[in-house]
Amino acid sequence: ETGVTQTPRHLVMGMTNKKSLKCEQHLGHNAMYWYKQSAKKPLELMFVYSLEERVENNSVPSRFSPECPNSSHLFLHLHTLQPEDSALYLCASSQDATSGAGELFFGEGSRLTVL
Amino acid sequence: GQNIDQPTEMTATEGAIVQINCTYQTSGFNGLFWYQQHAGEAPTFLSYNVLDGLEEKGRFSSFLSRSKGYSYLLLKELQMKDSASYLCAVKDSNYQLIWGAGTKLIIKP
Repeated sequence: ETGVTQTPRHLVMGMTNKKSLKCEQHLGHNAMYWYKQSAKKPLELMFVYSLEERVENNSVPSRFSPECPNSSHLFLHLHTLQPEDSALYLCASSQDATSGAGELFFGEGSRLTVL
Repeated sequence: GQNIDQPTEMTATEGAIVQINCTYQTSGFNGLFWYQQHAGEAPTFLSYNVLDGLEEKGRFSSFLSRSKGYSYLLLKELQMKDSASYLCAVKDSNYQLIWGAGTKLIIKP
């Protein structure tokens, strides 16, 4: 496989469920990101990992918990979510987190619906 | 605060030319990006500008004026497959990407 892959592509969960989103990159990149995309809103950066260390946490509620076990894998653990958390969650990677020119490579996203 | 403005939606005709504008106010500047996102798909990188001027890449060109805080994406010889959202993003002084809400481009035959 190549690029950035995310699973599952679609997820429906109740507010009391616990689920996880998975992301894997096959590009040899050092930085990985979680973004939230809601309709007609700018992409919201949630977390950044550089060389498996979290370097950014943009005031994300604790019901979202990231995990980066190695530079190729990133997880987003979800617990007691709210209906307003329904959105497309995008994973991305880049060569590093501080390069000016390095573009992001995105996965296809996980469409989350919270009932 | 930091802000990126781009039109919400534009409509153009197949075979024509369209220009999508982006204005920005950010804390520092380390480059401006354009991404294309088809409905239900991942955003994909189109262009990067860090110096003033025009960067041409096939049917797509991107222009930057740092003094005006302004960029545009020019699409020529429009094809139906160009129907997508176009996202403008600026890297600030901390190398954090600030995103616009995207411009939905509708191509009509």
